[in-house]
Amino acid sequence: GNSVTQMEGPVTLSEEAFLTINCTYTATGYPSLFWYVQYPGEGLQLLLKATKADDKGSNKGFEATYRKETTSFHLEKGSVQVSDSAVYFCALSDSNYQLIWGAGTKLIIKP
Amino acid sequence: NAGVTQTPKFRILKIGQSMTLQCTQDMNHNYMYWYRQDPGMGLKLIYYSVGAGITDKGEVPNGYNVSRSTTEDFPLRLELAAPSQTSVYFCASSPLAGGSNTGELFFGEGSRLTVL
Repeated sequence: GNSVTQMEGPVTLSEEAFLTINCTYTATGYPSLFWYVQYPGEGLQLLLKATKADDKGSNKGFEATYRKETTSFHLEKGSVQVSDSAVYFCALSDSNYQLIWGAGTKLIIKP
Repeated sequence: NAGVTQTPKFRILKIGQSMTLQCTQDMNHNYMYWYRQDPGMGLKLIYYSVGAGITDKGEVPNGYNVSRSTTEDFPLRLELAAPSQTSVYFCASSPLAGGSNTGELFFGEGSRLTVL
């Protein structure tokens, strides 16, 4: 069946460091891929998405490219800030338009 | 600009009690979902609805019930609460675009439930 695997956290970085959070998936067909972010005490919100191979989603300085050949959708940011501290979830939408979620990766940014 | 509203935000139940978590959205979205999030874990789908009058089970439906009498409301009912139902519950909605679900979910702030 469809599944999403994310790198385990927490990931701890210093401010202005480069961020990569790995996400790989297993799916039949051509799913859409998403990154959601959950700030402390809040619900999840969509960060970015890509709907087909080689698409790049971007928002708030974050980017992720849909790589069909490696079944990956890694999240990157060139220079993180303390305000980026949150839990990040990778997800894919299956043929029934249900989202299959990764376990989440907690990101801690130290000043 | 309410979006998805959940109530209550916090609740403590005794084993065997029942309660309803309320969820309302004002965006006229067709799809609505209930998820639970256990500590350090991802989201598990409990129930979902593709429109008023239509509901379907997700990954972990046992011990829960839902109804969808209107587009706006999607309450989640817990019958005979058990400690295993201690979790944070999130309601979400999703619009259609071009006749298909976009996969873009809008979440409420969550309801933290403890069963003792």
